[in-house]
Amino acid sequence: EVQLVESGGGLIQPGGSLRLSCVASGFTVSRNYMSWVRQAPGKGLEWVSVMYSGGNTFYADSVQGRFIISRDNSKNTLYLQMNNLRAEDTAVYYCARREPADYWGQGTLVTVSS
Amino acid sequence: DIQMTQSPSSLSASVGDRVTITCRASQGISNYLAWFQQKPGKAPKSLIYDASNLQSGVPSRFSGSGYGTDFTLTISSLQPEDFATYYCQQYDIYPWTFGQGTKVETK
Repeated sequence: EVQLVESGGGLIQPGGSLRLSCVASGFTVSRNYMSWVRQAPGKGLEWVSVMYSGGNTFYADSVQGRFIISRDNSKNTLYLQMNNLRAEDTAVYYCARREPADYWGQGTLVTVSS
Repeated sequence: DIQMTQSPSSLSASVGDRVTITCRASQGISNYLAWFQQKPGKAPKSLIYDASNLQSGVPSRFSGSGYGTDFTLTISSLQPEDFATYYCQQYDIYPWTFGQGTKVETK
């Protein structure tokens, strides 16, 4: 059974950093396109980043230069390193498998506030 | 960036109704269009990819069509569990972009 479980969210001050994790089971992360999508409170979905099976990465303009997507094949885990966080980064962050997504995690809430 | 515009933004319907949601892309995206369903407080659920292909396990009352710039999601006979918000997404050109969502409410 395919499962994605995110963690690492929380309350962080503007300018701070967080690393989100997405532990996968039932499939191999490194053999799939994996992405992060976020949803601000009461708003729609916003694509954030993708990592190809070959390692190529792409980012939304709003996070380019601040966020880094990566994976640990030994842990079958996807990460999102978020630096220089802003209030507008406040959202539930979902990881998803494939392009377009076929499976989604339950999400982890990131709140950027002083 | 490619803009995705859904219409309507919300609609009221009854169980058994046929429901149609439209998604328009600001430029041609071939058939690189997906549809997702989201219920309050839950993660999105994938419904359709490549404009018209159902994801595994999705009921056949859901169907998708379209090519280029104009796409449609149809629910042939609305069921109680279908009341939710629906999003389209293009994955032809980065950054991938979503429509603003269509909320299907009970009449």
